[in-house]
Amino acid sequence: QQQVKQSPQSLIVQKGGISIINCAYENTAFDYFPWYQQFPGKGPALLIAIRPDVSEKKEGRFTISFNKSAKQFSLHIMDSQPGDSATYFCAARLGGATNKLIFGTGTLLAVQP
Amino acid sequence: KAGVTQTPRYLIKTRGQQVTLSCSPISGHRSVSWYQQTPGQGLQFLFEYFSETQRNKGNFPGRFSGRQFSNSRSEMNVSTLELGDSALYLCASSRLGANTGELFFGEGSRLTVL
Repeated sequence: QQQVKQSPQSLIVQKGGISIINCAYENTAFDYFPWYQQFPGKGPALLIAIRPDVSEKKEGRFTISFNKSAKQFSLHIMDSQPGDSATYFCAARLGGATNKLIFGTGTLLAVQP
Repeated sequence: KAGVTQTPRYLIKTRGQQVTLSCSPISGHRSVSWYQQTPGQGLQFLFEYFSETQRNKGNFPGRFSGRQFSNSRSEMNVSTLELGDSALYLCASSRLGANTGELFFGEGSRLTVL
């Protein structure tokens, strides 16, 4: 019940296209949903995050769409660029006095020039 | 502002040995978490420390342990190493009292067990 399911495992998008990565969860006690971006040889870096009382959050070319009733959320990367090629992880935080995150399995994004 | 610093970056050990990994959080961050990253299991939570107290622990055997010092620096130890312990060990810090899940990760310590 503490899992976060992420799809697809890998994704190839043409430059300028839209990249979409989906995540689903079961535990309604999750109260914070971040997305992390990881480049080879680096640690994950926070990209964008959303709380369940908001249906959408946009920061530049990155948008999170959140569907509380379906227990699903997704990351949209508009106008994808080769520099966006990385592994993306969705995550969820269990409410309470903790920063423990449950991570999805990751999506390897390749943006072709 | 310096980021999260982890040492060593790379290390090779043999089965049965033990290893200690170090993490220096961002200045002012008092919460430190550790994660194990492997191709098969992804990012798995190990433990979380705040003000020298472990306040959360993942589903790892007792061979995995950690501690936090009064300056918020943290160490994790793995004893009796097994081949399956080969992984990237990531440390992350977050701000005082900020239970937001916003973690700042270091670049990790890559452990290879032979």
